[in-house]
Amino acid sequence: QVQLQESGPGLVKPSETLSLTCNLSGGSMSLSYWAWSWFRQPPGKRLEWIGDTYNNGRANYNPSLKSRATISVDTSRNYFSLTLNPLTTADTAMYYCARRVIYGSELNLFDPWGQGTLVTVSS
Amino acid sequence: SLVLTQPPSVSVAPGETARITCGGNNVAIKSVNWYQKKPAQAPVVVVYDDSDRPSGIPERFSGSNSGNTATLTIARVEAGDEADYYCQVWDSINDHPVFGGGAKLTVL
Repeated sequence: QVQLQESGPGLVKPSETLSLTCNLSGGSMSLSYWAWSWFRQPPGKRLEWIGDTYNNGRANYNPSLKSRATISVDTSRNYFSLTLNPLTTADTAMYYCARRVIYGSELNLFDPWGQGTLVTVSS
Repeated sequence: SLVLTQPPSVSVAPGETARITCGGNNVAIKSVNWYQKKPAQAPVVVVYDDSDRPSGIPERFSGSNSGNTATLTIARVEAGDEADYYCQVWDSINDHPVFGGGAKLTVL
């Protein structure tokens, strides 16, 4: 059974760079109908899609992040990563990784998800 | 881009039926997925492609999608069903997901 696990620093300073990693276990990343996604949920707010990347490295991002996010994947080592910079206190959130399963042009499903990692941006 | 609207909260007594709606312009032409999110836990798919249920999800969870409203129905609600529920579709033009704002289900 595929499982995802996020890792990264819990506390980062404003204007610095956040780097998170999502490791996959129990399977491989190689199928072409998968993409690898990052989400976040600030305290008391809705879930927000950050972006994702296909196995070929082509990535899509939420325009609201204004080019601050970069997502990369290493299928040979079964992990993908998120870089976000520069950080502000508004980036404080629980960050989740997930696999996007592409069934067709209209059916894309996020499953499974990682447990999440809390990131606090504070000086 | 499609906007999905969910009620902020839904409250039901144990054993009753909860209906959580997801409104959007002509959402019926989309495939709607539903996620259950409990505090400190990862989101879990409870219904996908409008009305299909992943293995391991109780038959009490069902979905429908017609016109401008998709609905997640939870029959015989239990205390353990208390969670936030999110609907989601795929925006194939912009190649990104669209989520509803989430509905908090409270079991009275």
